Amino acid sequence: GAGVSQSPRYKVAKRGQDVALRCDPISGHVSLFWYQQALGQGPEFLTYFQNEAQLDKSGLPSDRFFAERPEGSVSTLKIQRTQQEDSAVYLCASSLILVFADTQYFGPGTRLTVL
Amino acid sequence: GQNIDQPTEMTATEGAIVQINCTYQTSGFNGLFWYQQHAGEAPTFLSYNVLDGLEEKGRFSSFLSRSKGYSYLLLKELQMKDSASYLCAVRSPGYKLSFGAGTTVTVRA
Repeated sequence: GAGVSQSPRYKVAKRGQDVALRCDPISGHVSLFWYQQALGQGPEFLTYFQNEAQLDKSGLPSDRFFAERPEGSVSTLKIQRTQQEDSAVYLCASSLILVFADTQYFGPGTRLTVL
Repeated sequence: GQNIDQPTEMTATEGAIVQINCTYQTSGFNGLFWYQQHAGEAPTFLSYNVLDGLEEKGRFSSFLSRSKGYSYLLLKELQMKDSASYLCAVRSPGYKLSFGAGTTVTVRA
């Protein structure tokens, strides 16, 4: 079956531009996560949704970052007034349900470069 | 907070065995995951440990000691396609995964 997909795969933005990154989770997956991965580092948690509810946004670096999942499936991560430090790979992951050993399945990521 | 340490790089020969260690200090523990990530690709799930001991899955095995805050991933019969980054991740009570920086394994012919 289809895995997690993300678009675009690559995005180049000029500093100050707004960007929107899309995540299509595996069909039927209740939980959705966004992570930020800097070069040579492991992913860092940004935010978590259970269905359409955003239950945790403690990892969002600033109020320029906003995420939504209005119908409980597709999610969008928006970054306003991009800065050079926002350059990273943004990974989306989904899991079927929220239980002890539930595995998160990752998408290929969107590589954002801010010039 | 979470502190997860793993070596930055390891090199091994095709057909050999490599052991990637991971130590962690976390404010809570709800399982440890290992992921494989090839350059430019998604992390893919390899293994999960929540109880002490060894979990074996084909050429890959993972070990956990909760009292020592220690895990390792053992890769046997190395193949060239195993060249990748290996990520250790600890789940806090709940759902949040905290990742180490990853270990880049290079397999030489």
